[in-house]
Amino acid sequence: NAGVTQTPKFQVLKTGQSMTLQCAQDMNHEYMSWYRQDPGMGLRLIHYSVGAGITDQGEVPNGYNVSRSTTEDFPLRLLSAAPSQTSVYFCASSYWGWSTEAFFGQGTRLTVV
Amino acid sequence: QKEVEQDPGPLSVPEGAIVSLNCTYSNSAFQYFMWYRQYSRKGPELLMYTYSSGNKEDGRFTAQVDKSSKYISLFIRDSQPSDSATYLCAMSREYLIQGAQKLVFGQGTRLTINP
Repeated sequence: NAGVTQTPKFQVLKTGQSMTLQCAQDMNHEYMSWYRQDPGMGLRLIHYSVGAGITDQGEVPNGYNVSRSTTEDFPLRLLSAAPSQTSVYFCASSYWGWSTEAFFGQGTRLTVV
Repeated sequence: QKEVEQDPGPLSVPEGAIVSLNCTYSNSAFQYFMWYRQYSRKGPELLMYTYSSGNKEDGRFTAQVDKSSKYISLFIRDSQPSDSATYLCAMSREYLIQGAQKLVFGQGTRLTINP
């Protein structure tokens, strides 16, 4: 059972470039979300989805887009990378409601130069 | 003011010590309280969760919630070097879409258990 799979694990971008961080889960979870983790800031919610076709913004959505066409996949798009987006990005999924366990991927370490 | 405050440490203790990790919060709407453990360069994984005030025990770990003081704790007994990790408290409250609950994390406490 693969759980939550994120690709790539590492990425270096130049300012202004765009890219997509991939996230896939094989647990048939309705809820999926993206977090960024920065030193001293903990994990902050970027976007989340409650099912295919339904997404909403979290607390730090600017500069990021998401879509959810299938239950399994929830990609995160950086539209025009900025140095402030240098961070570790985590995708998470869970069954209905966050009162149940959230399963996290291994993370994507992104550096924007 | 952050909704959830957690001392980032680092905290270093000898093997076998009792470890106490704490978080405070300001929003009384939080309903579920969790502790996640994150090893270096890995994703967080759920360690314990609780709903009500009081204690919950799981092996060497005890989670404590005091809603009246808005304070939660995680105690680790007989700490082992394998417990060395970052511990994040997390709390959830209802969010906007379809009753989805939002997880709010503390900053995480980096813990090292020395053999």
